[in-house]
Amino acid sequence: SQELEQSPQSLIVQEGKNLTINCTSSKTLYGLYWYKQKYGEGLIFLMMLQKGGEEKSHEKITAKLDEKKQQSSLHITASQPSHAGIYLCGAGGGVDTGRRALTFGSGTRLQVQP
Amino acid sequence: SQTIHQWPATLVQPVGSPLSLECTVEGTSNPNLYWYRQAAGRGLQLLFYSVGIGQISSEVPQNLSASRPQDRQFILSSKKLLLSDSGFYLCAWSVPPEHNNEQFFGPGTRLTVL
Repeated sequence: SQELEQSPQSLIVQEGKNLTINCTSSKTLYGLYWYKQKYGEGLIFLMMLQKGGEEKSHEKITAKLDEKKQQSSLHITASQPSHAGIYLCGAGGGVDTGRRALTFGSGTRLQVQP
Repeated sequence: SQTIHQWPATLVQPVGSPLSLECTVEGTSNPNLYWYRQAAGRGLQLLFYSVGIGQISSEVPQNLSASRPQDRQFILSSKKLLLSDSGFYLCAWSVPPEHNNEQFFGPGTRLTVL
């Protein structure tokens, strides 16, 4: 089965600093999803990456999927307190596997200090 | 637009008591539906998914069960709760085809078993 490992597990940064969260898969990624979760709330979809080398940005958040499609990174530029939360990467199993649900990493807890 | 509802938002139950969590989706037809559990400090674990009425797939053996009596209704149940059932339960939906498996999450139910 596919496993996703996220690093770091937790991160504390000063407001205005840049940061990167990584997600490494044990198998080829057919679809990589980044979600953000605030404590005790549901997940908010951030971005989806499918193609090797793909990069997407939304406001100050950029996500990349490497060429080999086994690792993704999420980069936040000039972090703000509103960026605080838990960031989760999720992977689909691919059409050929018949697996429809996502496998998730254990999450990265981000705190941004003013 | 599509929305997903979960209730109750929080629940405190004694060990051995029954459980029923409900999830409903609006604004879409024939969605794939999912139940995930997030234990404290851990990532999301897929419990069940459903591709249609009465069709339930279980990912892990446990004392929980799921049912889908209507197209947009997904219920998580237990006859006798265990302490280990405590956690944050998230319902999600997605629309086929599976190669674009973006999932949309509900607000979650926090269950505490005492």
